[in-house]
Amino acid sequence: AQSVTQLGSHVSVSEGALVLLRCNYSSSVPPYLFWYVQYPNQGLQLLLKYTSAATLVKGINGFEAEFKKSETSFHLTKPSAHMSDAAEYFCAVSESGGSYIPTFGRGTSLIVHP
Amino acid sequence: EADIYQTPRYLVIGTGKKITLECSQTMGHDKMYWYQQDPGMELHLIHYSYGVNSTEKGDLSSESTVSRIRTEHFPLTLESARPSHTSQYLCASQDRVFYEQYFGPGTRLTVT
Repeated sequence: AQSVTQLGSHVSVSEGALVLLRCNYSSSVPPYLFWYVQYPNQGLQLLLKYTSAATLVKGINGFEAEFKKSETSFHLTKPSAHMSDAAEYFCAVSESGGSYIPTFGRGTSLIVHP
Repeated sequence: EADIYQTPRYLVIGTGKKITLECSQTMGHDKMYWYQQDPGMELHLIHYSYGVNSTEKGDLSSESTVSRIRTEHFPLTLESARPSHTSQYLCASQDRVFYEQYFGPGTRLTVT
């Protein structure tokens, strides 16, 4: 069985500050992990994915995430927030070689203050 | 360019009407999904498909039905719309290698 926990339904940062969105997962087999971003009135867009290659994954718009097996975490970071980063962010897990149906976290709303 | 389309983007309809939400993808993906999402809230899986002639119900009980007659097309039908069906409906297809999903822009449905 797989599950995803996103800590904090809302994260607020100032423009230029570090962004850190937390994601912890559970999976009975090696996972594939994903971060998606959703802007208002749009569908989800893939930011980045971990598929058992490098543990530090770089994505679009300057975001990156690090897979830490010992901590079962896949936190999303960006060194310097921009106003355009304000959106809803979803972490998701699929089990490699197992059920391909992803499990999504409840989402974290990123608020960026000028 | 590979893409996934949903129509209509917005729909306001009266109670009791039958509606079909359209979803099409050009990537040749076998697996497709329908999610229901209230604004700013989590995604709820309502239907999915392994491929042509395959459909399954998801985690969230839904009064909708789906069909998959062609690989690229996965429409969702509500036989009798109710105000409780007011929500955003997202369609997605899934890459067969690394399981990443590609989402359409969504249909925002309001039932009055």
